[in-house]
Amino acid sequence: QVQLQESGPGLVKPSETLSLTCTVSSDSISRFHWSWIRQSAGKGLEWIGRIFTSGSTKYNPSLKSRVTMSVDTSKNQFSLRLSSVTAADTAVYYCARDLGGGNYVSDYWGQGTLVTVSS
Amino acid sequence: DIQMTQSPSTLSASVGDRVTITCRASQSISSWLAWYQQKPGKAPKLLIYKASSLESGVPSRFSGSGSGTEFTLTISSLQPDDFAIYYCQQYNDYPITFGQGTRLEIK
Repeated sequence: QVQLQESGPGLVKPSETLSLTCTVSSDSISRFHWSWIRQSAGKGLEWIGRIFTSGSTKYNPSLKSRVTMSVDTSKNQFSLRLSSVTAADTAVYYCARDLGGGNYVSDYWGQGTLVTVSS
Repeated sequence: DIQMTQSPSTLSASVGDRVTITCRASQSISSWLAWYQQKPGKAPKLLIYKASSLESGVPSRFSGSGSGTEFTLTISSLQPDDFAIYYCQQYNDYPITFGQGTRLEIK
């Protein structure tokens, strides 16, 4: 059974960079595409972006200028960096695996990690 | 962006009821629609993809239908474990977008 676990600081100061890592267990990260999704009380579920097996990425245009996603195959991890954060970036952040087969939906999710942006 | 609108926002029902949740897209998304179930403090769980394909391990009382701009999720006979929030998600075009959610409550 695939398991995903988010890790990173739970508190980030405004204007700084949010950095999260997702560690994947029981599956090779090279076999699937991977996504980050966040959920806040104000905006519901918001798709942040996807990193493909090729290493290419697709980001939500609303965040594109601030988002970077990357993969470390040696550690079976993928990462999210979101720069210049504000209080509006406070949310539960989820990493997730794409189902595959052309279906860009998420079949396995991490438990989620709350990131609060505050000074 | 494609806007996804779910109705109703809240639905009260009893165990054994048949319930239907509707999701409308602001433009055609063919059949590229998924449904998720979320319980408090948990990540969303994939139920249905490509409008009507049941995810592995999901009970057969869940079904999805629709294409184009209008979609439905039906639960044929509500079980106690089904009371949760349900979200639709389109993946026809970027950015991927979700509906605002439908809260299914016990009557």
